[in-house]
Amino acid sequence: NAGVTQTPKFQVLKTGQSMTLQCAQDMNHEYMSWYRQDPGMGLRLIHYSVGAGITDQGEVPNGYNVSRSTTEDFPLRLLSAAPSQTSVYFCASRTGTGGGYEQYFGPGTRLTVT
Amino acid sequence: AQSVTQPDIHITVSEGASLELRCNYSYGATPYLFWYVQSPGQGLQLLLKYFSGDTLVQGIKGFEAEFKRSQSSFNLRKPSVHWSDAAEYFCAVGDFGNEKLTFGTGTRLTIIP
Repeated sequence: NAGVTQTPKFQVLKTGQSMTLQCAQDMNHEYMSWYRQDPGMGLRLIHYSVGAGITDQGEVPNGYNVSRSTTEDFPLRLLSAAPSQTSVYFCASRTGTGGGYEQYFGPGTRLTVT
Repeated sequence: AQSVTQPDIHITVSEGASLELRCNYSYGATPYLFWYVQSPGQGLQLLLKYFSGDTLVQGIKGFEAEFKRSQSSFNLRKPSVHWSDAAEYFCAVGDFGNEKLTFGTGTRLTIIP
């Protein structure tokens, strides 16, 4: 099992550009989430999904879109990047049943918006 | 609203010394509590978790944590640290009604020889 994979590892964008951060998991987990990590602020939930076709907003959803067409993939879209979106982004997944709620995290994508 | 406080931003301990990292939480019901560790440039790895039952929980890498409801605390301990324990540690409380895992701001652990 590869676990949770994220691409790219690093990305630099100019203000106003768009991009998609990719996340995939091969553990057949129902739940997937996107977090951003900023210095001194821990991790904050952006969006999450409880299954294919079902998504919901987290704590800091503005400026981000998600969709979940398959169990495996949960991409995060930045439609018009802003410097405030400079951060490290983590994708996580967990099983919905009997898994003890443990979230498995990907290695992260470091995004810089200039 | 749930919240987590990790009062120590940075802790330095000598290799072989004992360690305690503090975590206080605010949550209306019985909390789901977690400790994660993050090595530089890496994702987060679960050290241990508490849902119910025995208030002293054992985790990986020799870590343990004790849930104290009266103090709203879930402190992480290790009797003897190793240089490889240098990392950032995050305490988190889970509300799985809305899939929200609330993290503290983290404690960076430095180990000196």
